[in-house]
Amino acid sequence: LAKTTQPISMDSYEGQEVNITCSHNNIATNDYITWYQQFPSQGPRFIIQGYKTKVTNEVASLFIPADRKSSTLSLPRVSLSDTAVYYCLVGDLLYNNNDMRFGAGTRLTVKP
Amino acid sequence: GAGVSQSPSNKVTEKGKDVELRCDPISGHTALYWYRQRLGQGLEFLIYFQGNSAPDKSGLPSDRFSAERTGESVSTLTIQRTQQEDSAVYLCASSAGNNEKLFFGSGTQLSVL
Repeated sequence: LAKTTQPISMDSYEGQEVNITCSHNNIATNDYITWYQQFPSQGPRFIIQGYKTKVTNEVASLFIPADRKSSTLSLPRVSLSDTAVYYCLVGDLLYNNNDMRFGAGTRLTVKP
Repeated sequence: GAGVSQSPSNKVTEKGKDVELRCDPISGHTALYWYRQRLGQGLEFLIYFQGNSAPDKSGLPSDRFSAERTGESVSTLTIQRTQQEDSAVYLCASSAGNNEKLFFGSGTQLSVL
């Protein structure tokens, strides 16, 4: 099982770049890395997904080193509305559907 | 519909009663997931459907929990003889297939008194 480890919490200030790292030492060849964001009283929502190297979209960037044993979610210039819990998810539906398990996540607090 | 719909949004029940939670996934999504989230905790995986089949039910907490999916659409999570420890938000998600992103509903807040 591709267990993930993330910091429990992080604090930042508006306008700063935030990097949240997830460790997944036993990631399998078929596994993708996906990040989700969850606000209070809502279900998580997809942020970004990647397999290797770097992926960027309008919301965030995802950096994955060559060994794929970790990944870093980068949020540029955060605002107060980015305060949420961020989950790293590693798995592959077809071969290990039980790996679609979310860890405890990282609670990001953005301060003014 | 435009998104994943769950009903009811809130359910208060007495200990020992049975409850049914419903999930309507996005039309055409073949995969459907149920998760449980206790207050302040992460998401606990319960069960996954590919079509109408659940390949592995080992994530269900006890034999009081069961789930089914019909018509490759709506799914029902049933909890029999509810206990106070079952109080949580039950989240449903669907996806278009392997490695596709999950779309979550807003959840059902279950409170067992």
